Amino acid sequence: AQRVTQPEKLLSVFKGAPVELKCNYSYSGSPELFWYVQYSRQRLQLLLRHISRESIKGFTADLNKGETSFHLKKPFAQEEDSAMYYCASANAGGTSYGKLTFGQGTILTVHP
Amino acid sequence: DTAVSQTPKYLVTQMGNDKSIKCEQNLGHDTMYWYKQDSKKFLKIMFSYNNKELIINETVPNRFSPKSPDKAHLNLHINSLELGDSAVYFCASSQKKVPYEQYFGPGTRLTVT
Repeated sequence: AQRVTQPEKLLSVFKGAPVELKCNYSYSGSPELFWYVQYSRQRLQLLLRHISRESIKGFTADLNKGETSFHLKKPFAQEEDSAMYYCASANAGGTSYGKLTFGQGTILTVHP
Repeated sequence: DTAVSQTPKYLVTQMGNDKSIKCEQNLGHDTMYWYKQDSKKFLKIMFSYNNKELIINETVPNRFSPKSPDKAHLNLHINSLELGDSAVYFCASSQKKVPYEQYFGPGTRLTVT
């Protein structure tokens, strides 16, 4: 079964500092990895997906198959980045079409 | 022009009661989901429907029964509520061709006393 681990429940950084939210997954088939974000009083929404290889709001995430990791990084954190971040995996092409397995979530707080 | 809406937003009820949570999406998506978020913020899928057909059914007590009258609606009915059912329930939807780009509702906080 798919498993996603986010080892940090809480992460605090100061504005302008680099930030890295860790995510590890258990390997099963051909996983697709995602980061979802929930800002205060807003809905959970997709931030980025590994196959897009794009930077969203300054965030990037690289899939490292050797380490089975998909850490989310931003070189200079901003206060508006404060939110709950969920890492999620899906087994591309599997029978559980659309099934996302979420990690436990990391609450990021960026201090001024 | 809310994309995914849920009613009610809050639901407080006693053990043993039966309750329903409704979900509607106006995005034209053909796949809808129900997730449960527990007190530790752990988010887990319960069900998904594609064009009114059940396609994901996780290990959920059969007291939980989803119903999809049409592809824009996915309701969740819960029988004989238990204390452990207290959680936030999220509805989501997606297009079939982009199943992992899911649009979430605001959540329904269920409290069973």
